[in-house]
Amino acid sequence: EVQLVESGGGLVKPGESLRLSCADSGSTFSSYNMNWVRQTPGKGLEWVSCISSGSAYIYYADSVKGRFTVSRDDGKNSLYLQMNNLRDEDTAVYYCARGGDFKTQIRDNWLDPWGQGTLVTVSS
Amino acid sequence: QSVLTQPPSASGTPGQGVTISCSGSSSNIGSNPVNWYQQFPGTAPKLLIYSNNGRPSGVPDRFSGSKSGTSASLAISGLQSEDEADFYCAAWDERLSGLVFGGGTKLTVL
Repeated sequence: EVQLVESGGGLVKPGESLRLSCADSGSTFSSYNMNWVRQTPGKGLEWVSCISSGSAYIYYADSVKGRFTVSRDDGKNSLYLQMNNLRDEDTAVYYCARGGDFKTQIRDNWLDPWGQGTLVTVSS
Repeated sequence: QSVLTQPPSASGTPGQGVTISCSGSSSNIGSNPVNWYQQFPGTAPKLLIYSNNGRPSGVPDRFSGSKSGTSASLAISGLQSEDEADFYCAAWDERLSGLVFGGGTKLTVL
């Protein structure tokens, strides 16, 4: 069974940076599109970014475009989210979630499984 | 304000059925499949329905999804107390080039 484990969350000040990681325990990480989704405490889900298998296609939500960078290291079965110039409104639990495999179009993907999440708090 | 519109709450008594709606537009639900996620307090979301009406292994057939035009629905029959959770719809949006979620619906089993 695939298990995703996020790490790297913490408390930072506005304007600072943080790098999140997501480790995949499975053996087929490279074949899958991967996503980051965040959830403000007590609020709904907000998709953040998606990176395709092979990294050919990368998408970002407008709210993070230009500040966040998604990447992956298939040799380490890991997904990353580099977050720069953090703002108060970036405070959230960040989940990584697997999308479809390389044969599918990203628009047709569903997210399964999800990691347990890592909390990012941006506060002065 | 979420791109996809869901009612903030829904409720029913044990054994009853309930339907949760998800309204979008031609650029998201009208163009792409809808997926539904279930989230219990303090836990990560979990896939409930994929590609409008698919049920992952392990999801009871009491849960069903449908889509028509720019709207989708999640139907739950034979409500059980353990169904109490938040439910989210999601679809890819062509205009935004990103995944959009509904605001979520909190289901209460009375």
